[in-house]
Amino acid sequence: EVQLLESGGGLVQPGGSLRLSCVASGFTFSSYAMTWVRQAPGKGLEWVSSIGGGGGSGGSSHHADSVKGRFTISRGNSRNTLYLQMNSLRAEDTALYYCAKGYSDLSRASLQYWGQGTLVTVSS
Amino acid sequence: QSVLTQPPSASGTPGQRITISCSGGSSNIGRNTVDWYQQLPGTAPKLLLSSNNQRPSGVPDRFSGSKSGTSASLAISGLQSEDEADYYCAVWDDSLSGRVFGGGTKLTVL
Repeated sequence: EVQLLESGGGLVQPGGSLRLSCVASGFTFSSYAMTWVRQAPGKGLEWVSSIGGGGGSGGSSHHADSVKGRFTISRGNSRNTLYLQMNSLRAEDTALYYCAKGYSDLSRASLQYWGQGTLVTVSS
Repeated sequence: QSVLTQPPSASGTPGQRITISCSGGSSNIGRNTVDWYQQLPGTAPKLLLSSNNQRPSGVPDRFSGSKSGTSASLAISGLQSEDEADYYCAVWDDSLSGRVFGGGTKLTVL
């Protein structure tokens, strides 16, 4: 059974940093693309970042324009863990952050499984 | 404003067939396949359809999808109360080099 468990969310001041983690189990983590998607309170889904699979430290990464230069996606295949380093946080980054597994090693692959999310609140 | 346009709401009665549209452009729907996600109240999203019309294991055949040009649609037949949820279309955008989601459609079963 595929499981994705996010952690690392919390309350942070504007301009601060957080690192989210997503521990995966039930599949060969290194072989699949992984994605972060966020959902602001009462709003729709917003893609944040994706990273390809295929071995090593991971494939190519992609970030939404809204987070480019501030957020960095990475993966630790030996630990079956996906990360999102978030710097220079803004109030508009407040959201529930979901980790999702792709159908294949390509970043553009459908999001086959989702975690339950971790809440990030940016406020002074 | 989302790159993909969905109606904000839809409704139907039990047993009815409804459709939800998703309109995009040449760099996204026009070039790539469309996924649909279902988000039941208070839960994480779930993949409903991939590659325009492929149902993952466990998804009833009441759900179907289609794509034509730069638009896609989700159809739900034999509407049931448990289908009440938010539905999102999504696709990879080659110009943005990223995934885009529609704004979501809230389905109400009357």
